[in-house]
This record gives sequence, C-alpha cells and structure tokens, in this order.
Amino acid sequence: QKEVEQNSGPLSVPEGAIASLNCTYSDRGSQSFFWYRQYSGKSPELIMFIYSNGDKEDGRFTAQLNKASQYVSLLIRDSQPSDSATYLCAVRHSSASKIIFGSGTRLSIRP
Amino acid sequence: GAVVSQHPSWVICKSGTSVKIECRSLDFQATTMFWYRQFPKQSLMLMATSNEGSKATYEQGVEKDKFLINHASLTLSTLTVTSAHPEDSSFYICSARDLGAAQETQYFGPGTRLLVL
Repeated sequence: QKEVEQNSGPLSVPEGAIASLNCTYSDRGSQSFFWYRQYSGKSPELIMFIYSNGDKEDGRFTAQLNKASQYVSLLIRDSQPSDSATYLCAVRHSSASKIIFGSGTRLSIRP
Repeated sequence: GAVVSQHPSWVICKSGTSVKIECRSLDFQATTMFWYRQFPKQSLMLMATSNEGSKATYEQGVEKDKFLINHASLTLSTLTVTSAHPEDSSFYICSARDLGAAQETQYFGPGTRLLVL
C-alpha cells in the first residue's frame, strides 16, 4: 500500500463546476497535509496546507481533512481552464521532516 | 510565498561529465532543503534531505557518491551529479522549508532539466 494515494485521473470537469480531488494516507500519525499544483513542465506550487480536522477555505479552494478516515480532499469552485494541471497531495509525518507525495491527479477543465 | 531559485534552469552535457545544480532560498533561511527528481509523467521522488552544516540524508536506492549534496549555508544547497549518464536525464527540483513562517511550509524551486547525451 502506498503511503499517499490519489486517483491518477484524468478528471474532466466542465468550466464553472466544482472539481473534487481526493487523497488517502496510511500513517495515522501524520500531522500536516498539503495540496500542490503542478503544470506540465513546471515545478509544484503550494496551494493550501491544512493541519486540523474540518474545512479550510482560501478563495476558490477548500481543503477538507478527516483524520479518522485518513482522508484529505481539495475542492475547486468555479473551475477555470487555467486550473487544468496535476494536483499533488502531500503528507508530512509527525516524526520526520520530509513530505511524502502522492502520484498526483490530472485535472482537465473543459470549456 | 517564499521564493526558491535554481540554477541552471536547464543543462545539456556529455556522458561522463559532472553537473552542479544550485538551489537558493532568496528571502528566508532554510536549515533544511530537499532534492527531488521527476521523470516524465511520473511523480516526484525524494532523493535526499540536505541539512545545513551536516551530511545529507539519502533515500533508499539513491547513490550518495553519485549525487553529491552540499548545504554550506542557510540559503544555498548544491547537488552535483557526478559522471552523468543518459539515464540520469530528468527534472531535478529542490525545495526548502521556511522555518520562520508561522506555519512550516515547503516551497519548490523552478527545477533544472538535465539532458545527458
């Protein structure tokens, strides 16, 4: 079992709709959770981080964390074509400094 | 967010030569930097964790004698690919933790694309 799992996609969403990206992790001791966006040929850029159970909103983005279910999600409201990218879920273990990345979900927003 | 730079952005070299890649945190101090490698259509793979003033910690399967890491200051880490071969061609990305931020986060450099002929 991978430490951080994501559906590779592609996930196709119509412009203006809500895109929902999901991630599960295996280590119950994980404390920090991150979502990165990576455009083709570019390095990842941080979108959001979340530490506590519940929702965290930032503009069109909402991160959701459920530690009991070991589940993290990212919602993108009013999806735009510029949101088309690969989204990487990342988890930091409580006892280590390195971040473990999932393999990413490719999101495509169709006009 | 914090800025991390990498140099060069791309490099082409002959097989057998060594290539040095620099990673700098421009507006914050980073006691820890990370080096990743990404092959086409694959996920980021952590190669090593670089700590200022001490030896780097390499992930399993990464040859420390081939990928030399030096973290000489709080704003600079270097990765040297020694005796590069075509299979080393990849996208190398560094990342730095901003320990001065209210929430510790990890920022990525723009990456260095290496092509070994």
